[in-house]
Amino acid sequence: NAGVTQTPKFQVLKTGQSMTLQCAQDMNHEYMSWYRQDPGMGLRLIHYSVGAGITDQGEVPNGYNVSRSTTEDFPLRLLSAAPSQTSVYFCASSFNRDDYEQYFGPGTRLTVT
Amino acid sequence: GDSVTQMEGPVTLSEEACLTINCTYTATGYPSLFWYVQYPGEGLQLLLKATKADDKGSNKGFEATYRKETTSFHLEKGSVQVSDSAVYFCALSPTDSWGKLQFGAGTQVVVTP
Repeated sequence: NAGVTQTPKFQVLKTGQSMTLQCAQDMNHEYMSWYRQDPGMGLRLIHYSVGAGITDQGEVPNGYNVSRSTTEDFPLRLLSAAPSQTSVYFCASSFNRDDYEQYFGPGTRLTVT
Repeated sequence: GDSVTQMEGPVTLSEEACLTINCTYTATGYPSLFWYVQYPGEGLQLLLKATKADDKGSNKGFEATYRKETTSFHLEKGSVQVSDSAVYFCALSPTDSWGKLQFGAGTQVVVTP
């Protein structure tokens, strides 16, 4: 199993550009989520999905869109990048239980200038 | 709302010293509690977990006990190694949250030879 994979590893955007961060998992996990990591703030939940076709907002959803057309993939779209979205983004997946381990991808480091 | 507070770092230790990282939480009901570790340049990995009061999670020489009376989940290790240098995150998963994790800010640990 490859686990949770994310692409790209690094990305630099100009303000106003759009892009999609890719996330895929091959563990047949129902639950997938996106977090952003900022210094001194831990990880904050952006969006999550409890299964294909079902998504919901987390703590910091503004400026981001998601969709879940398959169990395996959960892309995160930045519609119009802003410097405040400079961060490290992590995708995670788990079985759909609150005491199950979440598996994290290696992260995407995004810089918006 | 639910929250996690953990001690600020960096914590600098010599090899074979004892490590304690304090973590307290605020939550309704009976959350599950976790410690995740992030090694440099990598994503987060689950270190240990506890799902009910008085449970003790343990892994790789680390331990933490779920104390409901003090709403704490302190991480301890009796003798650290240089390879334990990492950022440690305390997290909780609220009751019926479908895996949405609430993270503390993270504590960087640096172990010197």
